[in-house]
Amino acid sequence: ETGVTQTPRHLVMGMTNKKSLKCEQHLGHNAMYWYKQSAKKPLELMFVYSLEERVENNSVPSRFSPECPNSSHLFLHLHTLQPEDSALYLCASSQDTSSYNSPLHFGNGTRLTVT
Amino acid sequence: GENVGLHLPTLSVQEGDNSIINCAYSNSASDYFIWYKQESGKGPQFIIDIRSNMDKRQGQRVTVLLNKTVKHLSLQIAATQPGDSAVYFCAESSSDSSYKLIFGSGTRLLVRP
Repeated sequence: ETGVTQTPRHLVMGMTNKKSLKCEQHLGHNAMYWYKQSAKKPLELMFVYSLEERVENNSVPSRFSPECPNSSHLFLHLHTLQPEDSALYLCASSQDTSSYNSPLHFGNGTRLTVT
Repeated sequence: GENVGLHLPTLSVQEGDNSIINCAYSNSASDYFIWYKQESGKGPQFIIDIRSNMDKRQGQRVTVLLNKTVKHLSLQIAATQPGDSAVYFCAESSSDSSYKLIFGSGTRLLVRP
């Protein structure tokens, strides 16, 4: 049990579909993150929220839309994706946005396949 | 697993031996470093961290060494066990953007019984 729960674990969607990824953390943390893990690339930071305010939007295409309704929940809304968006999407949380003494706790990810 | 297709360097060790996983970083302004372990089907898991004012830090069966002169980081695992088989990532950050962890591409550790 990681303390960070992601659903669904696997998702297959067509390029015209709209879907959402969900993340919930049970650790009482104030910061939440979306990372992308794809083949042949290191983990890429996508979005950062601190106390429900977005503090980072790392040049991510607008077909990815994050939402953080409260400090325990984070969503990633997906629409008109491309096949190259197929990857493992990881949610993480930390006590705050300082990485010092506030390591990231990751969920087990959603494996997304865009057909 | 999540890293299928990712051509990772692989370290193969005999169970019971010590393992050393290396990482080079490029940003001389980085002052905080972390090692993560990612098992198949799971997200990365925090192992140990070190700040740049230290050269060495020890945990349970793990030691992280930092050489700032050559911008090199290593993770030593003592008495490697089958459960240590995973992909290991180093990550770095700097105080001016501390939440922006930059991850390395990872090393796969295989433990032979």
